[in-house]
Amino acid sequence: QSALTQPASVSGSPGQSITISCTGTSSDVGGYNYVSWYQQHPGKAPKLMIYEVSNRPSGVSNRFSGSKSGNTASLTISGLQAEDEADYYCSSYTSSSTLWVFGGGTKLTVL
Amino acid sequence: EVQLVESGGGLVQPGGSLRLSCAASGFTFSSYEMNWVRQAPGKGLEWVSYISSSGSTIYYADSVKGRFTISRDNAKNSLYLQMNSLRAEDTAVYYCARSMIDDYGDDCAFDIWGQGTMVTVSS
Repeated sequence: QSALTQPASVSGSPGQSITISCTGTSSDVGGYNYVSWYQQHPGKAPKLMIYEVSNRPSGVSNRFSGSKSGNTASLTISGLQAEDEADYYCSSYTSSSTLWVFGGGTKLTVL
Repeated sequence: EVQLVESGGGLVQPGGSLRLSCAASGFTFSSYEMNWVRQAPGKGLEWVSYISSSGSTIYYADSVKGRFTISRDNAKNSLYLQMNSLRAEDTAVYYCARSMIDDYGDDCAFDIWGQGTMVTVSS
C-alpha cells in the first residue's frame, strides 16, 4: 500500500480537462510544499511535470498545473491531448524516516 | 546533454548480491544530491536511498536498510548501489534520479532520471 493515495484511473476526451488527486497526511503533503508530479509512458523513465506543488519545469506545457489544499494535492491537465495518455505519480517529502513517498499512480486514458 | 545511465542489473538468486552503477554526464555531478528509486513490475515508484553531494549524509527506505549501501565517486561522476541479501520483493527496475534544488537550496523533486536497470531476484 502506497503512502499517498491516488485514484487508479481517470479518463477524458481530447480537449477536456481532468484532475488527479493525491491524498496524504500532515506529515507529508499537508506539512510541506515539496509535492511533485511525474508522467511515465510505458517502458520509459518518469518525467518531472510539477514541483513544489504548482511550479512547472522549463519545457513542460502550461496545460499542466498543480495545487494543494490541506492534505490533498491535485494535478490538472487541460486541453487533453493523445500524448498525455500515461501513468501519473505524485510524490511528497515526508517527516518520517522515509525521505520521500510516492502515490500508487493514476492511469490516464484519453478516449 | 544532461544524462544519467544505469548499469549492473541482472538475474540474481535470493540472498545474493549485486552492485548497480549510474554514470552522470552533462552537469556538475559533485554539486547535486542523488537518489535511487525503484519500480516493481506493474507497480508504482518507491524511493530507495539518498546521498548528499559530498556523500556525508545518507538515508535509506526502511525496506532496504541494513541490506543496501549507497555511495558515490565524484571524481568518476558515478553513483552506486550495493545490494546484499537480495529478496524476491527487491525485483524491480532501479532508477537513479537527481535531486532538484530550489531557490533556497532545498531538495524539492527529482528532475533528471536515468533509463533504469532491471534487477530480478529469483532462483
